[in-house]
Amino acid sequence: EPEVTQTPSHQVTQMGQEVILRCVPISNHLYFYWYRQILGQKVEFLVSFYNNEISEKSEIFDDQFSVERPDGSNFTLKIRSTKLEDSAMYFCASSAVEATNEKLFFGSGTQLSVL
Amino acid sequence: ELKVEQNPLFLSMQEGKNYTIYCNYSTTSDRLYWYRQDPGKSLESLFVLLSNGAVKQEGRLMASLDTKARLSTLHITAAVHDLSATYFCAVQKPAGTYKYIFGTGTRLKVLA
Repeated sequence: EPEVTQTPSHQVTQMGQEVILRCVPISNHLYFYWYRQILGQKVEFLVSFYNNEISEKSEIFDDQFSVERPDGSNFTLKIRSTKLEDSAMYFCASSAVEATNEKLFFGSGTQLSVL
Repeated sequence: ELKVEQNPLFLSMQEGKNYTIYCNYSTTSDRLYWYRQDPGKSLESLFVLLSNGAVKQEGRLMASLDTKARLSTLHITAAVHDLSATYFCAVQKPAGTYKYIFGTGTRLKVLA
């Protein structure tokens, strides 16, 4: 079964540093998402992306965050200047053409630790 | 703002017993999803419920949706240890958007 791939699986960084989390969505999917989950808490929506632009973003997704689809396969989340509270598991997800009727396929996540 | 709440938050049950997890949401939506998450793992899709009255079953799990009551249930029949996980419901914000709001999660532990 096709799957969403995320790299790295773990990322440790110093506060104030920039990080880029990478995702390869399922190849025929057109809708892409980033979610995060702070340890033991619920899954929080960050941003959705379609047709090379942001469709929707949450209050969490401030100016420190950006997303990009630099080529036909990768989808990245950049955090410009990390804070301690950015420590979380970040999940990439994608869905197919009919997004409103389709489930999300999640990657295995990147555990980000900000020290 | 769309809010999605689950109860119970924690559930410890004996093998062989039945139980129901509830998912309430605050604004109109016709689409509801159930996911399972094992510790340290990603989210696995269980059910997609797309209309009022929808009922889906897979093994010992059955999910239903009542859009009028803004309520979905996940019923567990004759629980087994392998069902131990955290279960999340998720609601898509009203049509035309691409934002899925997740519930608070129910951590299920099935005791042998």
